[in-house]
Amino acid sequence: EAGVAQSPRYKIIEKRQSVAFWCNPISGHATLYWYQQILGQGPKLLIQFQNNGVVDDSQLPKDRFSAERLKGVDSTLKIQPAKLEDSAVYLCASSLELAGEGRKTQYFGPGTRLLVL
Amino acid sequence: ELKVEQNPLFLSMQEGKNYTIYCNYSTTSDRLYWYRQDPGKSLESLFVLLSNGAVKQEGRLMASLDTKARLSTLHITAAVHDLSATYFCAVDINFGGSQGNLIFGKGTKLSVKP
Repeated sequence: EAGVAQSPRYKIIEKRQSVAFWCNPISGHATLYWYQQILGQGPKLLIQFQNNGVVDDSQLPKDRFSAERLKGVDSTLKIQPAKLEDSAVYLCASSLELAGEGRKTQYFGPGTRLLVL
Repeated sequence: ELKVEQNPLFLSMQEGKNYTIYCNYSTTSDRLYWYRQDPGKSLESLFVLLSNGAVKQEGRLMASLDTKARLSTLHITAAVHDLSATYFCAVDINFGGSQGNLIFGKGTKLSVKP
């Protein structure tokens, strides 16, 4: 089966510019996650969707980051305006997890590498 | 504050040798994952450990979980170059009513040399 797709794979912008990332999860996966992975660290969860609703966005810097999953499938993550410290790999993951059921393995996409100059 | 600590963070091994990576975590959890990440690539799921005493093996890798000690280990047997990668453990916590919130360790960068 096809994996999690992300685009673009690489992006270079200047600080204070805006950027958007796109994610297409594995078909049928109800839950979608965005993670930020700074060089040399493990991924950190930014936001979790179940279908088109937000389950957890407690670690999303809402003054500059936003995310949506309008039809419960694809998702976009936006940064506006970007700061130097936003340079990282942004990973999208999906899982078959449904409300009330046991938690399932998350499958990760290839990531988008963002460099803010 | 929840902490997930891995050690060592860097590991250089000779081919054919054995070694263990440790993952300690600071809160109760009923699910722990091990992932592999190759340079410039995404994360690949290796193991899911669901209960105290769980042990899983795949090839030269074996993972175990001790929920009482809040410790998981990833044991490497007779290492080969293809195992060179960064290995992450991730603890699944029920955070604020959500499910599947993974907290990752910093990763162990493994280099296997001939």
